[in-house]
Amino acid sequence: SSELTQDPAVSVALGQTVRITCQGDSLRRYCASWYQQKPGQAPVLVIYGKNNKRPSGIPDRFSGSSSGNTASLTITGAQAEDEADYYCNSRGSSGDHLVFGGGTKLTVL
Amino acid sequence: QLQLQESGPGLVKPSETLSLTCTVSGGSIRSGTYHWGWIRQPPGKGLEWIGSVYYTGGTSYTPSLRSRVTISVDTSKNQFSLKLSSVTAADSAVYYCASDEPLPGDNTNIFDYWGQGTLVTVSS
Repeated sequence: SSELTQDPAVSVALGQTVRITCQGDSLRRYCASWYQQKPGQAPVLVIYGKNNKRPSGIPDRFSGSSSGNTASLTITGAQAEDEADYYCNSRGSSGDHLVFGGGTKLTVL
Repeated sequence: QLQLQESGPGLVKPSETLSLTCTVSGGSIRSGTYHWGWIRQPPGKGLEWIGSVYYTGGTSYTPSLRSRVTISVDTSKNQFSLKLSSVTAADSAVYYCASDEPLPGDNTNIFDYWGQGTLVTVSS
């Protein structure tokens, strides 16, 4: 099992807000980053760092937060094009390796 | 803007060694800003970080694959490579190369730039 745990699937109505979570002991010490992956494409970084930064070109409806052992990705006003798989990533508990969460499939209804 | 491109055989026989190369363009692999990583994704499954290499040759690997993986760098060709030995069907996956940027101030690493991925199937 992965050191980072995500819900396998989440759905949201068009225009509504959805939160995707990632849990793991290492998140108490290390920040998470978030990746969006659409079918047949490479993942794209959407949120990273202590202050939950967004790379250039990522819409501001994407935001991140963290508390204790849980990191969250929030999409405020989800759009049809946000339907994708989302993965969290951080360091493992020993700090010497990187790990991905199992991924969350987001469906926009 | 970095560009990364994976290359290598799409079919490998069980028990043999999988070998892939990633060519970096748009920047030098010796820049020092990045480590260079490999990530894989079995069909229909999630992402798995395999390991990363720095231009000096220093490496880090995921514990579950450490005994079978070697990642190396060729600065003269602006390339880095992955070797995975004793492969089985479970190693069939899309293999991505990516830039791995440590952010010490943020206590994290990020994968900024990715190759398009290459599908490797392990089958006799």
